[in-house]
Amino acid sequence: EADIYQTPRYLVIGTGKKITLECSQTMGHDKMYWYQQDPGMELHLIHYSYGVNSTEKGDLSSESTVSRIRTEHFPLTLESARPSHTSQYLCASSDPRGTEAFFGQGTRLTVV
Amino acid sequence: DAKTTQPTSMDCAEGRAANLPCNHSTISGNEYVYWYRQIHSQGPQYIIHGLKNNETNEMASLIITEDRKSSTLILPHATLRDTAVYYCIVKAGGTSYGKLTFGQGTILTVHP
Repeated sequence: EADIYQTPRYLVIGTGKKITLECSQTMGHDKMYWYQQDPGMELHLIHYSYGVNSTEKGDLSSESTVSRIRTEHFPLTLESARPSHTSQYLCASSDPRGTEAFFGQGTRLTVV
Repeated sequence: DAKTTQPTSMDCAEGRAANLPCNHSTISGNEYVYWYRQIHSQGPQYIIHGLKNNETNEMASLIITEDRKSSTLILPHATLRDTAVYYCIVKAGGTSYGKLTFGQGTILTVHP
């Protein structure tokens, strides 16, 4: 079983609110990622980190930001949520050998 | 990363083998073939990967053609719980692993 956790699983929030999606892993992995997936659509990489104090933007442009202060945590923040941010957000980490990526269960965000 | 082509959907009877093809004709020598699956919008789950030899684990078998331009994921005895979207991804291992590019995948439906 993968030890990577996302909270909350579901979130419904009003427009303009600031939100933080939590992601934590207990495997000691340096590499962590955030993917975004609209219903029935492909996953797209929006952020990644190769270690503490390292963050990069992914292939899909996103208004969200991330931070990596500790190895085990990789939170994603939206300063002002909008309906266009409604989506599923999936966090992942990968082992040092680069053989497998572990995904969390995802956070399904709805902005009303 | 090399591009992959998969059928949009496939059906399989419960208890029978499910054979999911993937074409990756532009694969380069240092790229591996990875398979992941995503069950009903949960986080993707790693299944198996290989370079050029056939591989087998407790979940599936991976058959890679000698020229490495295509591969087949085999679920030997499909169950209803194997209904999912299956992604074939070609990527070099090592430091950049984890920045996965997910295509549309194959929707596998296992029916009683």
